[in-house]
Amino acid sequence: ETGVTQSPTHLIKTRGQQVTLRCSSQSGHNTVSWYQQALGQGPQFIFQYYREEENGRGNFPPRFSGLQFPNYSSELNVNALELDDSALYLCASSADRAYEQYFGPGTRLTVT
Amino acid sequence: AQKITQTQPGMFVQEKEAVTLDCTYDTSDQSYGLFWYKQPSSGEMIFLIYQGSYDEQNATEGRYSLNFQKARKSANLVISASQLGDSAMYFCAMREASAFYNQGGKLIFGQGTELSVKP
Repeated sequence: ETGVTQSPTHLIKTRGQQVTLRCSSQSGHNTVSWYQQALGQGPQFIFQYYREEENGRGNFPPRFSGLQFPNYSSELNVNALELDDSALYLCASSADRAYEQYFGPGTRLTVT
Repeated sequence: AQKITQTQPGMFVQEKEAVTLDCTYDTSDQSYGLFWYKQPSSGEMIFLIYQGSYDEQNATEGRYSLNFQKARKSANLVISASQLGDSAMYFCAMREASAFYNQGGKLIFGQGTELSVKP
């Protein structure tokens, strides 16, 4: 069984640029959630996708957007990057009627 | 508002001893779930244990047990027989109960406790 994978591992961008982060969910999982973890903090919920529809969103501005594809993989897009967007971005997947969320290794984004 | 509080920024434990990591939560929901995750320096969040609010028995998973005291709104993690590989950040989290979320659901995390196991 393949776990949750994320790409790229690390990324450096300049303020104002746009970035796309990718996540492949665990086999059989149809729900993907994205979290932002700033240094020294716990993860903060960005949004969740269930069967290609966003069905929950945290306190993040619209420049954070996402997609989920028919194979349940997902993208997180961030426009107009700000310095405070520097963080570890974690993707988690879960299965139908399951409470467990399985996390990927994360993408570390640095905005300069 | 729902909130998770972890009051121990750092903890030390001797190898082979037991350690308790504290977690208190705040919610007005009757139905909720509580989780503990381990985050090594590599960054990946590793699921350790889950406790549902209606579960009468404390959850156990191998060397991990969750001391659930509903009236006190606490969900402490107990790690028995600590190993060097247990050194990591530990996060307590609560699943927000909402009919809007079909699966998975929004997790609210605490600030974490850094555990160091000494040989």
